[in-house]
Amino acid sequence: DQQVKQNSPSLSVQEGRISILNCDYTNSMFDYFLWYKKYPAEGPTFLISISSIKDKNEDGRFTVFLNKSAKHLSLHIVPSQPGDSAVYFCAQRDDKIIFGKGTRLHILP
Amino acid sequence: EADIYQTPRYLVIGTGKKITLECSQTMGHDKMYWYQQDPGMELHLIHYSYGVNSTEKGDLSSESTVSRIRTEHFPLTLESARPSHTSQYLCATLPPGSYGYTFGSGTRLTVV
Repeated sequence: DQQVKQNSPSLSVQEGRISILNCDYTNSMFDYFLWYKKYPAEGPTFLISISSIKDKNEDGRFTVFLNKSAKHLSLHIVPSQPGDSAVYFCAQRDDKIIFGKGTRLHILP
Repeated sequence: EADIYQTPRYLVIGTGKKITLECSQTMGHDKMYWYQQDPGMELHLIHYSYGVNSTEKGDLSSESTVSRIRTEHFPLTLESARPSHTSQYLCATLPPGSYGYTFGSGTRLTVV
């Protein structure tokens, strides 16, 4: 049974618009939630994190929102750029990291 | 930031062969991990190590084995490769005080 669920396998967004990537989780005991970005044939790169005691964290164009009551987090990218086209993984961590299946984001010109 | 090196990047090998995937890091981090990812699927933890002579199996059962004789080196071995082992194998470290792992570029293994 998946602990971290990314229900949208893919998402297409116009360049310059906002990209919203969603993630649901089942286990509330983890301390941190993470987002990773992955290009084909490369390893994932860490993008942004949020502590379980916060509800928002912002870093440049990237903002992560955490809704603990709904066990839901989302990643907002604004404005979306062509280089943002990649697979995005949501993850939870305590001592180990548990990943979702990923969402492939396509930024359209 | 950790420098993690995985070799080879791509490997095509015949069934029954023994293979070793290399993973090395230059920052002296104790915690290292191996993940396996099939296309369109989540990354599954298959092995991890918290230091020299420490290795544990991860959440996904794997026929591979690992060793940690030196801090900087965490190789993964398949004694007899099978087509079901075809996947991408990703090595990572957890820098002290960091929220997330730093991954290597991965090895894409194809067993024919």
